[in-house]
Amino acid sequence: AAGVIQSPRHLIKEKRETATLKCYPIPRHDTVYWYQQGPGQDPQFLISFYEKMQSDKGSIPDRFSAQQFSDYHSELNMSSLELGDSALYFCASSLAPPLGSTYEQYFGPGTRLTVT
Amino acid sequence: AQSVTQLDSQVPVFEEAPVELRCNYSSSVSVYLFWYVQYPNQGLQLLLKYLSGSTLVKGINGFEAEFNKSQTSFHLRKPSVHISDTAEYFCAVSVGQAGTALIFGKGTTLSVSS
Repeated sequence: AAGVIQSPRHLIKEKRETATLKCYPIPRHDTVYWYQQGPGQDPQFLISFYEKMQSDKGSIPDRFSAQQFSDYHSELNMSSLELGDSALYFCASSLAPPLGSTYEQYFGPGTRLTVT
Repeated sequence: AQSVTQLDSQVPVFEEAPVELRCNYSSSVSVYLFWYVQYPNQGLQLLLKYLSGSTLVKGINGFEAEFNKSQTSFHLRKPSVHISDTAEYFCAVSVGQAGTALIFGKGTTLSVSS
């Protein structure tokens, strides 16, 4: 079965640079979530989109922005990168009712961002 | 607000022994509960979920969990573990609305040795 696709899988940037992470949800899934997982940490919710509108917002820095496009893929834009932004960034997708029977989120493999 | 507490940060066990990973949650509303597994350098894989109905839920790889509303717990169990079960396990809670975040616990590292 098709899974969530994230690109790139690995990204190395320098401080103060910008980065764009992409997420392609499971076909027909209409909701996308972004999470950040620091080394040895639990995943922290950043932001989510349902039907291309922002649905929920977590601890996303003002330097970050995200959007969901008409084909439901999403991009996380990160500017003025800091060393502390080094983390694994997960995208997840889900299918809301009535077409979806559960609210479970399916996670992609993640993008490992290293800021030097 | 919802929160999740995983009571053990590390659980070392021997192969073929039973294991229980403990999870307690806090919420003022009805929640959905999940267990995810993360193998080294990989993404999060759903092990099992509780949405409603039977309080004993079975998941993949022989894992099961029991939802206990009075104790606000959702402990994960496996009667006999394998070396390949070595991984990080996360308990998570959601209020279930579309687009609502999963709130994760801090994780439990399960280390299975021979």
